[in-house]
Amino acid sequence: GAVVSQHPSWVICKSGTSVKIECRSLDFQATTMFWYRQFPKQSLMLMATSNEGSKATYEQGVEKDKFLINHASLTLSTLTVTSAHPEDSSFYICSARGGALAGAGFGELFFGEGSRLTVL
Amino acid sequence: GDSVTQMEGPVTLSEEAFLTINCTYTATGYPSLFWYVQYPGEGLQLLLKATKADDKGSNKGFEATYRKETTSFHLEKGSVQVSDSAVYFCALRNSGTYKYIFGTGTRLKVLA
Repeated sequence: GAVVSQHPSWVICKSGTSVKIECRSLDFQATTMFWYRQFPKQSLMLMATSNEGSKATYEQGVEKDKFLINHASLTLSTLTVTSAHPEDSSFYICSARGGALAGAGFGELFFGEGSRLTVL
Repeated sequence: GDSVTQMEGPVTLSEEAFLTINCTYTATGYPSLFWYVQYPGEGLQLLLKATKADDKGSNKGFEATYRKETTSFHLEKGSVQVSDSAVYFCALRNSGTYKYIFGTGTRLKVLA
């Protein structure tokens, strides 16, 4: 199946610093990528939808200035947690939607392995 | 709004036991239904899916049937293995959108 890779898989940072997480579709072009946040023992919460070449669409309650999303190419989307605080510590997961021309199942969602952020 | 409700875990079973993880949903329209599995330290992987009523999704011995009348998509496996230990998420995607709504996940632990 199609592969989505996230980097880094885990990161520890000091409060007040910014952290960037990359999400790459390795063998297909992803016109749309999604960013989720997963709290312990809770479901995945959709944070934003990222379309290549346009501004991300954020879900209600998600701070745009806090969680900057850039989808610069058909294979890369980045999530930057700005001025991170301990409450931002979480597991962040990206997913990418396969397109009809890319060989991946059309419309099927492929998930990255997740990035665990710990803010001290 | 759309929602997915899963049975709370953790579920602990002995190897070769029968597994059922309940999932019910609320949605407008005609959603597609999914089961995803998350192994320790990994991302979610699609386990199986069903796109319309009465469809049965199956993979790796797991099955789930899309029941519109009971708005359910229960996951079953006749004989679980230790390697099935993971967190299982039920999800829906409504027609006309690529947004997925996930349940809270059910942790399965299979003992040898």
